[in-house]
Amino acid sequence: EPEVTQTPSHQVTQMGQEVILRCVPISNHLYFYWYRQILGQKVEFLVSFYNNEISEKSEIFDDQFSVERPDGSNFTLKIRSTKLEDSAMYFCASSVGPVGGTYEQYFGPGTRLTVT
Amino acid sequence: AQKVTQAQTEISVVEKEDVTLDCVYETRDTTYYLFWYKQPPSGELVFLIRRNSFDEQNEISGRYSWNFQKSTSSFNFTITASQVVDSAVYFCALNDRGSTLGRLYFGRGTQLTVWP
Repeated sequence: EPEVTQTPSHQVTQMGQEVILRCVPISNHLYFYWYRQILGQKVEFLVSFYNNEISEKSEIFDDQFSVERPDGSNFTLKIRSTKLEDSAMYFCASSVGPVGGTYEQYFGPGTRLTVT
Repeated sequence: AQKVTQAQTEISVVEKEDVTLDCVYETRDTTYYLFWYKQPPSGELVFLIRRNSFDEQNEISGRYSWNFQKSTSSFNFTITASQVVDSAVYFCALNDRGSTLGRLYFGRGTQLTVWP
């Protein structure tokens, strides 16, 4: 069964460093998302991406964040200068169509980011 | 504004007991979609069900059933004859027309522990 994959599974970085989290969505999916989950808290939406541009972003997704689909398979989330409060599990998700139709989002296993 | 409330933070049951996880949502839209996801200890988010606002029919899938009641803005999830493998955090989520391409609003989750 096709699945969303994410690398690395765990990333440790120092405050102020740049990190890139990578995702490979399911191959026939066209809509891509990033969410994050601070330990013990709810899953929060960061950004949605379709047709090579950001469709929607939350208030969390500030200028420190960016997303890119550099080729036909990868979808990346970059944090330019990490802060301690960026420590969280980051989930990538993808869907065939917009969730408002008959589609659901499939989530990857997550990347645990630890900022020290 | 959109909001999902899962008032039960933690529930513990003994195997074979039935358990119901509550979800109450808020939205101004008349068209919206509700979801349940399971997060096992391994951390990934597993899609369980999608329900649209026009379909109030309850659904059963094996030991899982869902009770959607628009009158009380609730979308509750029942596990019948629970098993140890059901131990996980369960998230209820909402998508409505206010979101262009499928932003999900998650509740805080309910940690279900099933003891042998």
